[in-house]
Amino acid sequence: GENVEQHPSTLSVQEGDSAVIKCTYSDSASNYFPWYKQELGKRPQLIIDIRSNVGEKKDQRIAVTLNKTAKHFSLHITETQPEDSAVYFCAALPAGSARQLTFGSGTQLTVLP
Amino acid sequence: GAGVSQTPSNKVTEKGKYVELRCDPISGHTALYWYRQSLGQGPEFLIYFQGTGAADDSGLPNDRFFAVRPEGSVSTLKIQRTERGDSAVYLCASSLASGSVDTQYFGPGTRLTVL
Repeated sequence: GENVEQHPSTLSVQEGDSAVIKCTYSDSASNYFPWYKQELGKRPQLIIDIRSNVGEKKDQRIAVTLNKTAKHFSLHITETQPEDSAVYFCAALPAGSARQLTFGSGTQLTVLP
Repeated sequence: GAGVSQTPSNKVTEKGKYVELRCDPISGHTALYWYRQSLGQGPEFLIYFQGTGAADDSGLPNDRFFAVRPEGSVSTLKIQRTERGDSAVYLCASSLASGSVDTQYFGPGTRLTVL
């Protein structure tokens, strides 16, 4: 089955700086890669996703890049703000009929004011 | 519109007891998923419903876990003879299931504590 590894497990940045979180996946057939933000005690919320037919996607301060050859994808947050502090999870969805997401272990991002 | 809702938000039970966790998906979403999230970990897949049927239950850890979705909307996750190791947050998600890829929207979860 799919295996997703996520790094780093914790990340602290100064407000206004950029943050980058990286994930690798094992199943080359995976074709959908969402990123979820989870605040303490709250539900995971989708912040951005990318499909395997594109290499990059941006939404305001957030961008995701995908390298299918290397089987890794990354989340980039620019101009970080204290409200960006949360746990971020990457995930991968295999192609075909399977619909279960395989998640990484999460990155605790802290934006220091 | 209303998002995915789950009840109860917290459930404390004793080892060996039976529990039921409920999920109300977004209206019109035909696909429903259950995940389990242990402290400091990402959600782990348990079971996926398409309509009323369990399309994939490969993530259920053992036969103490069972889930139903009798009318293709609300789902109940049932855990028999609970063990301390079952303590976790149980998350439900739903999606439109249109095409091969679609966004899964999560509920707030039920925090289960087995004493």
